[in-house]
Amino acid sequence: EAGVVQSPRYKIIEKKQPVAFWCNPISGHNTLYWYLQNLGQGPELLIRYENEEAVDDSQLPKDRFSAERLKGVDSTLKIQPAELGDSAVYLCASSLGYGTSGTGELFFGEGSRLTVL
Amino acid sequence: KNQVEQSPQSLIILEGKNCTLQCNYTVSPFSNLRWYKQDTGRGPVSLTIMTFSENTKSNGRYTATLDADTKQSSLHITASQLSDSASYICVVSANAGKSTFGDGTTLTVKP
Repeated sequence: EAGVVQSPRYKIIEKKQPVAFWCNPISGHNTLYWYLQNLGQGPELLIRYENEEAVDDSQLPKDRFSAERLKGVDSTLKIQPAELGDSAVYLCASSLGYGTSGTGELFFGEGSRLTVL
Repeated sequence: KNQVEQSPQSLIILEGKNCTLQCNYTVSPFSNLRWYKQDTGRGPVSLTIMTFSENTKSNGRYTATLDADTKQSSLHITASQLSDSASYICVVSANAGKSTFGDGTTLTVKP
């Protein structure tokens, strides 16, 4: 079974430029998460989707960050314009969720490492 | 505020030795606790999942314990291998799926 797929793995951009990350979750997982991870720290939730609905986006900086999950499968996270402080790893995860037989275990992708110059 | 504190922040041990990582949490209401292993440059991978009624769970050389009364968990690694070098992250979930992550313990196993 394929895992969570993210792209690109690495991205280097100059500040004020836009950037987008893509995530394909595990087939059948209705819950999708985007996390931000700084070096030496644990992941921090940006947004959580249940199917195509964003149910928790309280930590998403909405002035520059946006996300969408069309048709409740793939998701895209966008930053426009990027700032120096956005340099981090952006992790996507998916789970079966708690409303089903799943335990809510998170399955992570390899992450997209963003460097803003 | 829900918090997860891990200790030590980093640890260096010799190959073949055992070690124990600690996780203290204040998440409430508690649903489950998971330990994840994150290799450098990779995404976290689940090692163990424990619910309120479980106080120990093993996965090969990894054994997790949970004391729900004191809100503490530990991850014990037996006979460490070079491939155990990674960050170990404790994640505590409240009811309704809200998860709180610790900052991890970075383990380095040296030959």
